[in-house]
Amino acid sequence: DAGVTQSPTHLIKTRGQQVTLRCSPISGHKSVSWYQQVLGQGPQFIFQYYEKEERGRGNFPDRFSARQFPNYSSELNVNALLLGDSALYLCASSWRAHGEGYNEQFFGPGTRLTVL
Amino acid sequence: AQKVTQAQTEISVVEKEDVTLDCVYETRDTTYYLFWYKQPPSGELVFLIRRNSFDEQNEISGRYSWNFQKSTSSFNFTITASQVVDSAVYFCALRRTGTASKLTFGTGTRLQVTL
Repeated sequence: DAGVTQSPTHLIKTRGQQVTLRCSPISGHKSVSWYQQVLGQGPQFIFQYYEKEERGRGNFPDRFSARQFPNYSSELNVNALLLGDSALYLCASSWRAHGEGYNEQFFGPGTRLTVL
Repeated sequence: AQKVTQAQTEISVVEKEDVTLDCVYETRDTTYYLFWYKQPPSGELVFLIRRNSFDEQNEISGRYSWNFQKSTSSFNFTITASQVVDSAVYFCALRRTGTASKLTFGTGTRLQVTL
């Protein structure tokens, strides 16, 4: 079975531009979460979506938005890019939304965004 | 607020040595989950273990073992007889129960195993 997939693998943008990152969850998983990992740091939670609804939001500005589609895939959009948005963006999928013991999150390989 | 501290930034060992990665956490919740993830150079986070806050039994899986002590808010990870393939960044993480699946990660410990 395929794991979590993300596209593109790498992306280079300039300040002020907009970017869209894509994530396909593991088949059967209905929850998708997004994390930002700045170099040398642990991942920081951005959003969680479940059944196309936002279920959680981290401490990120409104320039960050996301959505989930009927097939449970998800997009993360970042507007007005800043140099500080350069990071590895990780997507994770899980079976459902709640923090049950058997609801592990499985991560994709990430999209490395560089803002120049 | 929840917080995870991994005080060891980087550890270097020679193959076959045992190594322990420390993790200390802070939470006001009475029930929660603790995790360890491995991040190889490829970038993908690999799930290693989950521990429920109400289960303080230590666990061993092959060369890996975990020591959970609620009294000291620690969840340490030991690799026995380390191998070069163990080289990676290891993250400890905390998650509340019953809510969104948000994971709070530590800053990670980079483990370098050399021959």
